Amino acid sequence: SQQGEEDPQALSIQEGENATMNCSYKTSINNLQWYRQNSGRGLVHLILIRSNEREKHSGRLRVTLDTSKKSSSLLITASRAADTASYFCATSEGGSNYKLTFGKGTLLTVNP
Amino acid sequence: EAGVAQSPRYKIIEKRQSVAFWCNPISGHATLYWYQQILGQGPKLLIQFQNNGVVDDSQLPKDRFSAERLKGVDSTLKIQPAKLEDSAVYLCASSPRTGGEETQYFGPGTRLLVL
Repeated sequence: SQQGEEDPQALSIQEGENATMNCSYKTSINNLQWYRQNSGRGLVHLILIRSNEREKHSGRLRVTLDTSKKSSSLLITASRAADTASYFCATSEGGSNYKLTFGKGTLLTVNP
Repeated sequence: EAGVAQSPRYKIIEKRQSVAFWCNPISGHATLYWYQQILGQGPKLLIQFQNNGVVDDSQLPKDRFSAERLKGVDSTLKIQPAKLEDSAVYLCASSPRTGGEETQYFGPGTRLLVL
């Protein structure tokens, strides 16, 4: 079963605008990760945030985590056409196998 | 550093036929994962290997799917016999298992169409 649920399912914006995607999950987690998938390609890791962190930045990416609400958000600032992709959140419950459970993803389209 | 390699990239078969996928993880990565990604959904873990031992295969349909990782390096995933609902992208991923963050590195996937 899928742990994370991204919202919205699809998002269309103009180049230069900011894009915000949200992820909700159900159980306690060790960390939450965001991945990007371009059409027809494998997934690429973007950023990882631990359960004891509230915010993390990487370049144009900003991730927040609210463990009390079991939710996370991914903000992409100053979007580019090349950011067009599907974005997935994945949760890790920790333990011995570091298993990741992925959500259904948000399809982001950045129009030039 | 070479990434995760998978082959073939595309495969079309008829239902009830057999198919096998191959994965070569990043050199030195102890953990290897096989995922199934159905169109419009996120990846679903089928099986996870730590070196050549199975850590988690709870979502692997064992009546038709099998996987092995000989010598703790390459891995093959087999479907026998295939069903229409097996049409999906099969992704292989690996991670170093250094005890820190468990970032997974994905291959390009094998797109399977069962007719």
